[in-house]
Amino acid sequence: KAGVTQTPRYLIKTRGQQVTLSCSPISGHRSVSWYQQTPGQGLQFLFEYFSETQRNKGNFPGRFSGRQFSNSRSEMNVSTLELGDSALYLCASSLGVYPGTGETQYFGPGTRLLVL
Amino acid sequence: AQKVTQAQTEISVVEKEDVTLDCVYETRDTTYYLFWYKQPPSGELVFLIRRNSFDEQNEISGRYSWNFQKSTSSFNFTITASQVVDSAVYFCALSELRGSSNTGKLIFGQGTTLQVKP
Repeated sequence: KAGVTQTPRYLIKTRGQQVTLSCSPISGHRSVSWYQQTPGQGLQFLFEYFSETQRNKGNFPGRFSGRQFSNSRSEMNVSTLELGDSALYLCASSLGVYPGTGETQYFGPGTRLLVL
Repeated sequence: AQKVTQAQTEISVVEKEDVTLDCVYETRDTTYYLFWYKQPPSGELVFLIRRNSFDEQNEISGRYSWNFQKSTSSFNFTITASQVVDSAVYFCALSELRGSSNTGKLIFGQGTTLQVKP
């Protein structure tokens, strides 16, 4: 079974631009979560989607948004990029059979975003 | 508030040595889930183990073993006879709770970088 896939793998943008990252979960998985990883802050939760609905959101500004489609694929968008948005963005999927029960999350390879 | 602490920032061992990675967590609830993930240089987080708070049995999987002690709020990870391929960053994580339910949010420790030298 194919794992979580994320596109693109690498991205270079300039301040003020916007970016959209894509995540395809493991086949059959219905929950998708996003995390930001930086050297200073470590791994931080961005948001979680289940059945096209945002179930949970981390402490990030409104410039960070996301959505989930009916096939469980998810996208996250960052508008008006800042230098501090440079990070590895990781997507994770879980079965979603019992949302909110600590299901195992399986991670994709991440998208490395560099903001210049 | 829930929190995960991995006090060891970096550990360096020589191949075939045993090494233990420490993880201490804080939570006020009785039901929770703990995880360990491995992050090799490629960046992807690889799932290693999931443990719920009611299962205090230690677990062994090949060269890996986990010691869960609720009394000390610790969930330590031991690699026996380490190999160069074990070099990676290891993360301990706690599933966030909201009331009596878990959410989809994982709270991660800062990670421990393990370097295994040949």
